Amino acid sequence: DAKTTQPNSMESNEEEPVHLPCNHSTISGTDYIHWYRQLPSQGPEYVIHGLTSNVNNRMASLAIAEDRKSSTLILHRATLRDAAVYYCILSNSGYALNFGKGTSLLVTP
Amino acid sequence: GAVVSQHPSRVICKSGTSVKIECRSLDFQATTMFWYRQFPKQSLMLMATSNEGSKATYEQGVEKDKFLINHASLTLSTLTVTSAHPEDSSFYICSALGLLASSYNEQFFGPGTRLTVL
Repeated sequence: DAKTTQPNSMESNEEEPVHLPCNHSTISGTDYIHWYRQLPSQGPEYVIHGLTSNVNNRMASLAIAEDRKSSTLILHRATLRDAAVYYCILSNSGYALNFGKGTSLLVTP
Repeated sequence: GAVVSQHPSRVICKSGTSVKIECRSLDFQATTMFWYRQFPKQSLMLMATSNEGSKATYEQGVEKDKFLINHASLTLSTLTVTSAHPEDSSFYICSALGLLASSYNEQFFGPGTRLTVL
C-alpha cells in the first residue's frame, strides 16, 4: 500500500478555514485519495475523495497537486463539530482502507 | 446517504464467553464488508474481508478460528469473538461497500461496537 504522511495535530479557530495537508509521494496511477474523519467512539465518516481533479462537496474541498504527490483537505469554515481525527488514505476503489495515524484537528471557539 | 448499523453498540462479557456482533447495510446491498478493530489511542486495523457467500479473508496475525465471520446475506455480516479474553477488548467497526452511480465503490462505516471482556 502506498503510504501517506500527515501532521499529528493541527489547531484552528472556529469559523476560520482549515487546510489539512497530506503527502503521498509513492501514489500509483490507480490510487484514489480518500479522506475520512473519526469522532471519539464513533465509526469513520466519509468526507471526500478524488483521483486527479480537485473536488468539492458540501462538507469540504479536496485540492490535488498536479503530480498527485500531495493533497489538501479544505474545511471552509471550521465548527466545533469538525474537531476529529482526519485520515488521508490511498486505495483503489473497492479495496479495504489502510488507516494511518491521521491528523487530530482541534477547533477552538 | 447509505447507512450501516452495528449491534450491539457496546457489550461487556466474562472471559471465556463468545460474543456476536452484527453489521447490517440498511438501504443497500453489500457483497463485500470489512471488519476493523481499534485499540485505545490507535488507528483502525483491518481484521478481515467478508464476501457474501464465501469464506472471509483474514489479515496476517488475525486468528480465523477465534474471530468467526459469516456473511450469509447481502445485507448482513456477523463477527463472533470466541472464548473472549481481556486482550480482545477493543472497538470493533465494520464497513460495507456500496456501488455509487459513478462506479466508485464507497465504503460506509458502522458506528462501532465497544467490547469489554472482564
